[in-house]
Amino acid sequence: AQKITQTQPGMFVQEKEAVTLDCTYDTSDPSYGLFWYKQPSSGEMIFLIYQGSYDQQNATEGRYSLNFQKARKSANLVISASQLGDSAMYFCAMRDKNTGNQFYFGTGTSLTVIP
Amino acid sequence: DAGVIQSPRHEVTEMGQEVTLRCKPISGHDYLFWYRQTMMRGLELLIYFNNNVPIDDSGMPEDRFSAKMPNASFSTLKIQPSEPRDSAVYFCASSFNTDRARSPLHFGNGTRLTVT
Repeated sequence: AQKITQTQPGMFVQEKEAVTLDCTYDTSDPSYGLFWYKQPSSGEMIFLIYQGSYDQQNATEGRYSLNFQKARKSANLVISASQLGDSAMYFCAMRDKNTGNQFYFGTGTSLTVIP
Repeated sequence: DAGVIQSPRHEVTEMGQEVTLRCKPISGHDYLFWYRQTMMRGLELLIYFNNNVPIDDSGMPEDRFSAKMPNASFSTLKIQPSEPRDSAVYFCASSFNTDRARSPLHFGNGTRLTVT
């Protein structure tokens, strides 16, 4: 079974608008971490934001926020005030102890910001 | 912090040759991961180590692939003999264990391997 599911292969957003990238996960471990990464066309993988399963509040990092809905097992990334430099692949990932501390990655969402 | 350091950045080799990819993880990290990324298969976990010990190598494609971590600051991924289908970007990444709060996976810049 897929541990991480990203159902949007590609997304478009107008510059300065907000966009939500979807991510659902599957784990039976009560303790887990959720991560989002950005991969621009240059290829590097850049860590954006983290959400712990016991965190009471949604994580925020600058223009990035994580809409964490534990009961639904979803961890959507919200990018506010999109910029042209936000055009990239975005990967959702999860880590839990049940499976030996591996990181599981989704298939990614390609975001294009339109001027 | 220098981050995860991979070498070489690019490697072009002929089919049948041996290829060795190198990685220096972030100092103090307990875990080291090797991933392969292609357009067709996305990001695949090949193998990972905890405290220099291989934990899971089920993602290694076949016996042509091998990985070692002789000490906490160095790991290699070797392909012998290489084949054109091995062409991909290979990432090394490291992290603390999950007991360290907010410990993400830190990636190197990757090695782009082309086998002709």
